[in-house]
Amino acid sequence: EVQLVESGGGLVQPGGSLRLSCAASGFTFSRYWMHWVRQVPGKGLVWVSRINSDGSSISYTDPVKGRFTISRDNAKNTVYLQMNSLRVEDTAMYYCARRQNSYFDFWGQGMLVTVSS
Amino acid sequence: QSVLTQTPSASASLGASVTLTCTLSSAYSNYKVDWYQQRPGKGPHFVMRVGTGGIVEFKGDGIPDRFSVLGSGLYRYLTIKNIQEEDEGDYHCGADHGSGSNFVVVFGGGTKLTVL
Repeated sequence: EVQLVESGGGLVQPGGSLRLSCAASGFTFSRYWMHWVRQVPGKGLVWVSRINSDGSSISYTDPVKGRFTISRDNAKNTVYLQMNSLRVEDTAMYYCARRQNSYFDFWGQGMLVTVSS
Repeated sequence: QSVLTQTPSASASLGASVTLTCTLSSAYSNYKVDWYQQRPGKGPHFVMRVGTGGIVEFKGDGIPDRFSVLGSGLYRYLTIKNIQEEDEGDYHCGADHGSGSNFVVVFGGGTKLTVL
């Protein structure tokens, strides 16, 4: 059974840092591109970042460029999102998602990140 | 102008049909669109992809035949027939844009479907 389990969220002050982790199981992790998508409660989905299967190709949405870093460890079946210089507007539920045939075929349950003083 | 636009809310009675619309901006008229269902308190779940001409390329696991898609011009539709209580939730449309370091995925604002 495919599972994606996010961890590492919580409450942080503006300007602080958090690292989200997404542990994958039930499939050959190293073959898939992985993405992070966020959602302010009650609002729509916003794509954040993606990393290809071996970590050699990465992209980000403009609002997080220079502040967020996506990475992966295929030996640990885990994708990460390092979030620095956090802003109030980064407050959201963060989902990791697996990419297959150019769509997101599995999503995690989400991890809430709250940026507030 | 947003790349993808959705009406914020829709409602339908149990057993009825409803069509949700995702409108593409004119520069993206040939884009394929993916539909995702998000039940309350859950992560999204892939429903179906609709290409130009309404061609269905992929369908999500466990999606019943009551769900169908159609594409025409700037519009990508998701129709749900014989609506059930478990169909209630948010429906999002999404599309890829760009490649390499310029790759992005854009989503519409989502439509909240209420089953009456």
